[in-house]
Amino acid sequence: EADIYQTPRYLVIGTGKKITLECSQTMGHDKMYWYQQDPGMELHLIHYSYGVNSTEKGDLSSESTVSRIRTEHFPLTLESARPSHTSQYLCASSGTHSPLHFGNGTRLTVT
Amino acid sequence: KQEVTQIPAALSVPEGENLVLNCSFTDSAIYNLQWFRQDPGKGLTSLLLIQSSQREQTSGRLNASLDKSSGRSTLYIAASQPGDSATYLCAVRQNAGNMLTFGGGTRLMVKP
Repeated sequence: EADIYQTPRYLVIGTGKKITLECSQTMGHDKMYWYQQDPGMELHLIHYSYGVNSTEKGDLSSESTVSRIRTEHFPLTLESARPSHTSQYLCASSGTHSPLHFGNGTRLTVT
Repeated sequence: KQEVTQIPAALSVPEGENLVLNCSFTDSAIYNLQWFRQDPGKGLTSLLLIQSSQREQTSGRLNASLDKSSGRSTLYIAASQPGDSATYLCAVRQNAGNMLTFGGGTRLMVKP
C-alpha cells in the first residue's frame, strides 16, 4: 500500500478554532494535493504543490492555507473554523510518472 | 478545459456478473488515465494507471482500456463480488506536470 498518512482521522471542533490537518508521505513524491469532498459528492481540488516552497490554489476556492517546507509534509490550516468547513479532506501525492496515491482522509465537523 | 464524465452514476448487479464502467473525456490529448476505488468515508485506492501510449492494463479481475481518439476508457470487472461494492472514479492527467481531472464516479452495488 501507498505510504501516505493523514491525521487526525476524525476531528470535531467548535466554531472559531484554528486547526491544522496533517499529511505526510514517505515515497519522496514531489507533487502533493489537497482535495475536499462532501459525502456522496465529487472531489474538488483546493491546494496543490509541485515541490518544496511551491503551493498553488486549486479549482475550488478555500479559506484554508497550506505550506510545503519539507518534501514529505503538506499540512493544511484553517485559521478560524466555521460550520461551512465541515467536510472530508483528502491528501494525495504522486511522482512524475507514478499513480496518484491518497491518504485515508480527515473527516472534519465544525459545530 | 478538460471534462470527465462517468456513466452510469449508479449501478446495481447480482453477484457473479461481468460489468463495464464507462469514462469519457473531452480533450483527447491526455498524459495518462487512472481508475480509483473509494469505499464510503475512506480515501481513494488506485486500481489501474494507463499511460497515453497504452491500450489497456489488467490487474486480477479488473481490466481497463483506453481509446484516446474517441475520448473513452472502460473498466471491466469480471465475476463481480459483494466486496466490489464501492464508488469507482476515473481521472485524467493532461501532461506530466498537471493535476488530475476527476469524473463524478459510478456507485456500484453487487448484491449477494
